[in-house]
Amino acid sequence: QVQLVQSGAEVKKPGASVKVSCKASGYTFTSYGISWVRQAPGQGLEWMGWISAYNGNTNYAQKLQGRVTMTTDTSTSTAYMELRSLRSDDTAVYYCARDAPPSGGSIDYWGQGTLVTVSS
Amino acid sequence: SYELTQPPSVSVSPGQTARITCSGDALPKKYAYWYQQKSGQAPVLVIYEDSKRPSGIPERFSGSSSGTMATLTISGAQVEDEADYYCYSTDSSGNQVFGGGTKLTVL
Repeated sequence: QVQLVQSGAEVKKPGASVKVSCKASGYTFTSYGISWVRQAPGQGLEWMGWISAYNGNTNYAQKLQGRVTMTTDTSTSTAYMELRSLRSDDTAVYYCARDAPPSGGSIDYWGQGTLVTVSS
Repeated sequence: SYELTQPPSVSVSPGQTARITCSGDALPKKYAYWYQQKSGQAPVLVIYEDSKRPSGIPERFSGSSSGTMATLTISGAQVEDEADYYCYSTDSSGNQVFGGGTKLTVL
């Protein structure tokens, strides 16, 4: 069965960076992409970007361009999302989700979520 | 930027039909997906490509799309269907977007 297991909760200070991991199993990792989605407390879902696990192509949400980097490690079937220059409004649960090639747009399975808290 | 618009809330009695709409200019050309999110849990896919139901999703969940509006229908809603529902699609540039979410109350 498809599983996406994310790293644990993080507490960061404003201006710092955070890197969240997402280990995939139960399917051929390089046949799909990974989208990252976040949800601020009490708010809706916000798409952050997509990465192809096949060739590393990325598509980031415009509002996060320059602050976010998504990567994959095919040897361990793990995806990573790094967010820099953290602000208090980056406090959210961050989800990875399996998404289809060639450019995403069809999320099916989700990770359990990683809470990132940004606080001084 | 592209937006998908959902009603903030829908309320039905158990056994009634709940309909949640999602409007977006690109929906005539792009598929809509629907996710159910219960409190404190990750979202779960309930409808994909406008009207297809993943395995394990009850038959009371159905989807349709016409013009600029997609609709999630829950026929004979049950108390356990109470959750937030999000539509999701892409714009013409491939950017992905979620609707604002609809809180379904069944009581």
